[in-house]
Parts: sequence; C-alpha cells; structure tokens
Amino acid sequence: KAGVTQTPRYLIKTRGQQVTLSCSPISGHRSVSWYQQTPGQGLQFLFEYFSETQRNKGNFPGRFSGRQFSNSRSEMNVSTLELGDSALYLCASRLDPEDTEAFFGQGTRLTVV
Amino acid sequence: KQEVTQIPAALSVPEGENLVLNCSFTDSAIYNLQWFRQDPGKGLTSLLLIQSSQREQTSGRLNASLDKSSGRSTLYIAASQPGDSATYLCAVKGAGSYQLTFGKGTKLSVIP
Repeated sequence: KAGVTQTPRYLIKTRGQQVTLSCSPISGHRSVSWYQQTPGQGLQFLFEYFSETQRNKGNFPGRFSGRQFSNSRSEMNVSTLELGDSALYLCASRLDPEDTEAFFGQGTRLTVV
Repeated sequence: KQEVTQIPAALSVPEGENLVLNCSFTDSAIYNLQWFRQDPGKGLTSLLLIQSSQREQTSGRLNASLDKSSGRSTLYIAASQPGDSATYLCAVKGAGSYQLTFGKGTKLSVIP
C-alpha cells in the first residue's frame, strides 16, 4: 500500500515568485491537511481538506491557499514568496477528518532566496 | 487555545537504557493523541495513536500512556538502540477541531 506522496521533494524559488506543492494521499483516504515546519515555530497547521472542501484554515496570510481534487489529491499554493516562507511543508492523509490516525508524507523542502 | 509542551527538548542516553518522553497539553477535551518520530530532513512516522477513551497503547518496545484529566502523555522506550535516535513529537487532536496541535519535540540521541 503506497504511502503519502509529496512532490517535489526540494524547491528553490526567488522572492516574489509563486510555488505549487502537490500531495497524493493514501488510497481511500479523503482527508488531506497541510503543515509548515520551521526550526523556530515547529509544526503549524495550514489547512485541511475533505471531499474537496476546505474544513479549517490556520493562522496564515491569504498568500497561502490550497485545493483538493475529486481523486483526493491536494495542492497548496504560495504566492509572492517571502524569505520567511522557507520551510518543510508536510502533508498528512487521514481516512476521514475525525478521530483516525494521520499519516505524513516526506515533505517538500522549500527554500526562498 | 490548545498548547502542547514536550520536556526535555533534548535527551542523550547510553544504549540499552529505558527512557520516558513527556508530553503535556492544556485542554483536556481531545479526540486523540498521536506520537510521531522524525528523522533529520524527513517526514513524520506515526508510532502510536491513543484515542481519548484509552489509557495506553503498545507497539513493540514502545508504550504510550494517556492521562486526559491531567493533560499528560508519556512515551516509554524500552532497551533503547542507536537506531532510536530521532526527534519524537506528540500531537493532540482537539474535540471539534480538524487540526493536530504539535509539541516542539524531544530530540533523542542514543549513544552506542
């Protein structure tokens, strides 16, 4: 059974550019959530999607957005990149948003220069 | 607002020692608590999930306990090995919330 797949694994972007990250959940899982991990702040919740609907959003500016497709794959987009957006972006997959176990992908390492 | 604290931030032990990692949370209204392991530059690997109605879960050399009323969980690692070296994170899912709230982690080093 394939795990959570995140692409690409590494990205280097310039300030002001935009970036799109992709997450394919475990087959059959319909809930996908995104987290940002930085050395200073740790893991912070970005947003969660279930059945193509955003269920919850963390305390991030509107430059951070996402969507989920009918096959449960999800993308997140960051526009007008800032140096502070450099982080490991992690995607988590769950069967549903309630009380089931979360499985994480390997993450996308974004570096903004 | 839920806050999760993990103490200590770092721990170094000799191989073979039994050890306990601590996690505390401020709001006892949780659905579940999950322990993860993270190797440098990698994603999170789920170790144990404890539902709010459970007191403990075991997997191999790992045992996690949950005391919801006091807002505490412990992860017990028996007979530690160098391969256990990693950062251990606990995360809680609050009642009525879709997100996991994470602690900052405990970085464990097991010395051969």
